[in-house]
Amino acid sequence: GQQLNQSPQSMFIQEGEDVSMNCTSSSIFNTWLWYKQEPGEGPVLLIALYKAGELTSNGRLTAQFGITRKDSFLNISASIPSDVGIYFCAGHSNSGGSNYKLTFGKGTLLTVNP
Amino acid sequence: GAVVSQHPSWVICKSGTSVKIECRSLDFQATTMFWYRQFPKQSLMLMATSNEGSKATYEQGVEKDKFLINHASLTLSTLTVTSAHPEDSSFYICSASLTGGENEQYFGPGTRLTVT
Repeated sequence: GQQLNQSPQSMFIQEGEDVSMNCTSSSIFNTWLWYKQEPGEGPVLLIALYKAGELTSNGRLTAQFGITRKDSFLNISASIPSDVGIYFCAGHSNSGGSNYKLTFGKGTLLTVNP
Repeated sequence: GAVVSQHPSWVICKSGTSVKIECRSLDFQATTMFWYRQFPKQSLMLMATSNEGSKATYEQGVEKDKFLINHASLTLSTLTVTSAHPEDSSFYICSASLTGGENEQYFGPGTRLTVT
């Protein structure tokens, strides 16, 4: 089945630093989504991307849909302690009758030291 | 907008009993809902896709007779874990897609199931 390679697996940064994480795939996706999950809670949608090359911002977060449709990155600028959590990328493709199913990356655990 | 709730948020049950988890879309209609399972420090594992008014589609390896899914309305889907065993202990999360939405899924807060 389809797989997403998300990196890095974890990050330890100082408050105020910028963060970048990315996801790559061997197959094409039509939609890329980025979620944040905090302990004991469900994932929260941060940014949704629908077109190749699309660059979208949500406050201090910026994400891009790669031109090849096989990758996406998420940047967080000027990190703050509440940015701590696990960030997941997710992709959707119309191939193989997937019918709205998402493929998830394994997540990036972000720790921000005040 | 796009709020999804789950009930209960946590449950403890004894082996052999059944547990029902509800997933509701509070401010939108959801033709499709999804049920995931998540183990500690791991990603989400899709268990099944639930479409309103029809049978759920289960992922490979997920026992449909053990994990009963009902999607009786556009705002409610339920997952029943039948004859629960300790290995069923996990974090169960549902999500919902807006009818006509572009593949975005909105997640509930999750249900922590512990089987003793």
